[in-house]
Amino acid sequence: DTGVSQDPRHKITKRGQNVTFRCDPISEHNRLYWYRQTLGQGPEFLTYFQNEAQLEKSRLLSDRFSAERPKGSFSTLEIQRTEQGDSAMYLCASHAPTGPDTGELFFGEGSRLTVL
Amino acid sequence: QKEVEQDPGPLSVPEGAIVSLNCTYSNSAFQYFMWYRQYSRKGPELLMYTYSSGNKEDGRFTAQVDKSSKYISLFIRDSQPSDSATYLCAMTPYSGGGADGLTFGKGTHLIIQP
Repeated sequence: DTGVSQDPRHKITKRGQNVTFRCDPISEHNRLYWYRQTLGQGPEFLTYFQNEAQLEKSRLLSDRFSAERPKGSFSTLEIQRTEQGDSAMYLCASHAPTGPDTGELFFGEGSRLTVL
Repeated sequence: QKEVEQDPGPLSVPEGAIVSLNCTYSNSAFQYFMWYRQYSRKGPELLMYTYSSGNKEDGRFTAQVDKSSKYISLFIRDSQPSDSATYLCAMTPYSGGGADGLTFGKGTHLIIQP
């Protein structure tokens, strides 16, 4: 499978605990995005990497959230001191602006977080 | 007012019907318009991608963009039960998602009755 891979698919945690999600983008895709999707809503942009550089962060990304993309390959999204409002699907997407730029973002299956 | 408005539905139609899905937006900077399909508990997958105004057809799917009205549509002909999913419109001022990512609508839940 050469698509975007996310792990874990589902995480249940207690309020106050830290959680980390991992995203493996499509090989050679230099852009990587994190989105959050709550029930009945469309995905909301969280942050964006071009290679290893984090170029943009949404105001939705509070200081409890941190994302990294070491070496410009996989990325991690960590949420510290989780709150019930953090319960959502966390989606990763990648993009390679090569050739005719279709603008397509390829999404992974998402990591669903449930905070009890 | 949200930047992108989309009726969440559900929209239920019989198999074979023509489906019309729509979004309105307020940001005149949006230049790139997309429709994504999302099955339950799956990630969104791109259906149609359009730059600026006009129509684009791909098989049973037609996307229309009217920038003067800030209105985009997706038509599905000969709808099939397998088309039952949530359809998300998305848009951005920049190609490739850009630095601010895509702005999505809430999604319309579509049900095709066999």
